[in-house]
Order: sequence, then C-alpha cells, then structure tokens
Amino acid sequence: AQSVTQPDIHITVSEGASLELRCNYSYGATPYLFWYVQSPGQGLQLLLKYFSGDTLVQGIKGFEAEFKRSQSSFNLRKPSVHWSDAAEYFCAVGARNSGNTPLVFGKGTRLSVIA
Amino acid sequence: EPEVTQTPSHQVTQMGQEVILRCVPISNHLYFYWYRQILGQKVEFLVSFYNNEISEKSEIFDDQFSVERPDGSNFTLKIRSTKLEDSAMYFCASLQGVYEQYFGPGTRLTVT
Repeated sequence: AQSVTQPDIHITVSEGASLELRCNYSYGATPYLFWYVQSPGQGLQLLLKYFSGDTLVQGIKGFEAEFKRSQSSFNLRKPSVHWSDAAEYFCAVGARNSGNTPLVFGKGTRLSVIA
Repeated sequence: EPEVTQTPSHQVTQMGQEVILRCVPISNHLYFYWYRQILGQKVEFLVSFYNNEISEKSEIFDDQFSVERPDGSNFTLKIRSTKLEDSAMYFCASLQGVYEQYFGPGTRLTVT
C-alpha cells in the first residue's frame, strides 16, 4: 500500500525567501504524484501533478516540484514566497496500476509567511 | 471551467441524527469519491463509486455510511446515526477516467 510522509509539520519563511516542502512516498513502483494547497476553511486546490516524462514539473502560482525516483521524493519548491502562499500543503500519491484508485495524502505542512 | 459543487457548506447536527451530504460531480466524469478531514489532520479516503456501485471503501466507511447516485447528477453521502467523531470536513471528488481527481469545496459537518 502507498504511504506519504511530509516530515515538516510547520514551516515559517520570510516573504521573498525561497521555499522547499518535503514529500517522501512509499510505493512499489512509480506512483502518480500530486501537491494540493488548502487555505483556511477552503477546499483542496491542485498545484501540480506528475504522471510521467520530465521529472521537474511546473504548477500554478509559480510552484514547481521535482520527482526523484532514487530518493522516493517529490519536493515542492518556490523561488520567492508571497504572503498569500500561507496555507496548508498536502502531498498525495495515486497507484499507477489503476489511474482511478483513491489518493493517499500526507499529513500536510503548514506554511506561515512573515514580513 | 467545470467544477465539483457540494451542499451544504456547513451542517450542524445532533448526535444520533441522520445527515445527507450532497455533491454534484463534473458532468462527464465517471468515478466519484468521498474523503474526509478531521480538523488538523490529513485527508482520508472513505469510498469510491463507479458504474452505480461502490468500487472501493476504507475501514472508516462502516455500516453507518452509505452512498448513492440517485439521479444523473447528484452523488450523496449519508451518515445514518452521527457520532461526535464524525465531525469533519467532507470532500467530494470526481474523475473522468484516470489521473486527476477534482475536489469540491467541502462540507463542514459539526456533530453536537
């Protein structure tokens, strides 16, 4: 069964600083990988996804993520954080054997942005 | 852009009462899901639905829960007799075929 680990519960960065949120997964093959963002009281918005091909994927709001098979990681990055990026970020995996299996989410990383 | 909608946005109910949470998936999607998120915790899968039947369910989805697609557009989650621990945000998601699930905005259920 798949599992996802987001080692950082809470991260605080200064506005304009770079950001990296970590995600490690456990799965017997290469899964489908996703990053979602959730603002307080809101739903889940897809930031980006990886299915195949180029291991560096670009998403919305200036985010990118890199799939590293050797490290079983899919870390999310942003070169310059904006105050509006403060939110909860969830990494999720889906089984590749069937593209419609349920997603397994990590516990999330809460991002705070300070001036 | 088409989107998944959910009603109500917030439901308050008393313990032991039945609740029905409603979702309208994207119209040409084939797979439907319910997830829940207890406050401060991760999103957890409850059940998936395809071709008018449950295709997969988690251990959370016990006999108190049921799902239905009563017509061509709605997808509902019923909790027969709510418990305090059912308080959570419930998300509906739909999928056309493979890959990307589209999530609705959620229904916050508060059981008192």
